[in-house]
Amino acid sequence: QVQLVQSGAEVKQPGASVKVSCKASGYTFITYNMHWVRQAPGQGLEWMGIINPNDGDTSYAHKFWGRVSMTRDTSTSTVYMELSSLRSEDTAIYYCASEKSGTYFLEYWGQGTLVTVSS
Amino acid sequence: QTVVTQEPSFSVSPGGTVTLTCGLSSGSVSTNHYPSWYQQTPGQAPRTLIYSTNTRSSGVPDRFSGSILGNKAALTITGAQADDESAYYCMIYMGSGIYMFGGGTKLTVL
Repeated sequence: QVQLVQSGAEVKQPGASVKVSCKASGYTFITYNMHWVRQAPGQGLEWMGIINPNDGDTSYAHKFWGRVSMTRDTSTSTVYMELSSLRSEDTAIYYCASEKSGTYFLEYWGQGTLVTVSS
Repeated sequence: QTVVTQEPSFSVSPGGTVTLTCGLSSGSVSTNHYPSWYQQTPGQAPRTLIYSTNTRSSGVPDRFSGSILGNKAALTITGAQADDESAYYCMIYMGSGIYMFGGGTKLTVL
């Protein structure tokens, strides 16, 4: 069965960076795009960006330009999302979610990773 | 900048029918936006309900349906049940690899 397993919770200081991983199994890794979505406490879902694991091509929401980087390691079927210059407003649960290429929807979801930004 | 709009909250009686909508602050939602719908209960990851406007995801009961109503995408729940009480989010494909979520609708069943 398809599984997206994310790395564990993180606590970071303002100004630091965080790198969250998402390991996929149960499908052919390069045939599904990976999205990252976050949810601040008590708030809605926010789309951050997408990576095509086949060629590494990315698209990011304008809000995160210059602060986010999404990469992949095809040898381990893992996608990474790094967010830099963290501020308190980045405290949120970060989800990875996969989309079969060209279907335009989030079919499978990871369990979420809580990132807390606090001094 | 374009915003995806949803009703902040809605209530429905058990057994009743409710339609939640998903619009754009500028322009109309069409099938070319591939609207999708997600259900989320507190403490859980979202669950995919509907994609490509009106296709139900695997295992989703047929009381959930999607459509385009006027210039918006719509999610209709027919015969609402207590465990349908959740937050519902639509997601729109904006083009050029960019997606956006609506602010979500908190549905109360009472």
